[in-house]
Amino acid sequence: KQEVTQIPAALSVPEGENLVLNCSFTDSAIYNLQWFRQDPGKGLTSLLLIQSSQREQTSGRLNASLDKSSGRSTLYIAASQPGDSATYLCAVISGANSKLTFGKGITLSVRP
Amino acid sequence: DVKVTQSSRYLVKRTGEKVFLECVQDMDHENMFWYRQDPGLGLRLIYFSYDVKMKEKGDIPEGYSVSREKKERFSLILESASTNQTSMYLCASSTQTSGRIYEQYFGPGTRLTVT
Repeated sequence: KQEVTQIPAALSVPEGENLVLNCSFTDSAIYNLQWFRQDPGKGLTSLLLIQSSQREQTSGRLNASLDKSSGRSTLYIAASQPGDSATYLCAVISGANSKLTFGKGITLSVRP
Repeated sequence: DVKVTQSSRYLVKRTGEKVFLECVQDMDHENMFWYRQDPGLGLRLIYFSYDVKMKEKGDIPEGYSVSREKKERFSLILESASTNQTSMYLCASSTQTSGRIYEQYFGPGTRLTVT
């Protein structure tokens, strides 16, 4: 059974810092990996999707990398801003039914 | 622009009531999903659908049913609401290419409280 882990559960950094959010998964036979952002009480916003054949994807200040063989992905946020404060969730698509399995998320707080 | 809408942002129902949560997507996606999200437990898949009139159980289908009569609409039904079904419910949709599910898009969520 696929399991996705995100550690730590919470992170607080000063504005301007570059930071890395980690995600690990137990079954490396994935099709895709997707990073989401969730603001309190809201739905999920897709940030980046990495297909299994790709190593990384970039969007603005965000860069996501994927190492399938080691079961790891990282989300790099450059020059963090208070508006980046949110919960970031990692999810992988794997298995016979191509189900999306989520980590529990990392709650990021960027201090002004 | 990609759009997934849910019928209500907040809903309060009484124990034993039948509850309908509606989800509509305008992207002509084949796949639709219902999740619930609870503190400490994360997102858990309730049901999903690959096509009209087709449904498959997710990880926690007990106490729920679904209906997909049209491609754009996927309904979640709580036959007899219970307090342990108080949660945030999230709908999502995705397209399907070469048999693999691709990027999922989520609605804004429905915060359901059962009293």
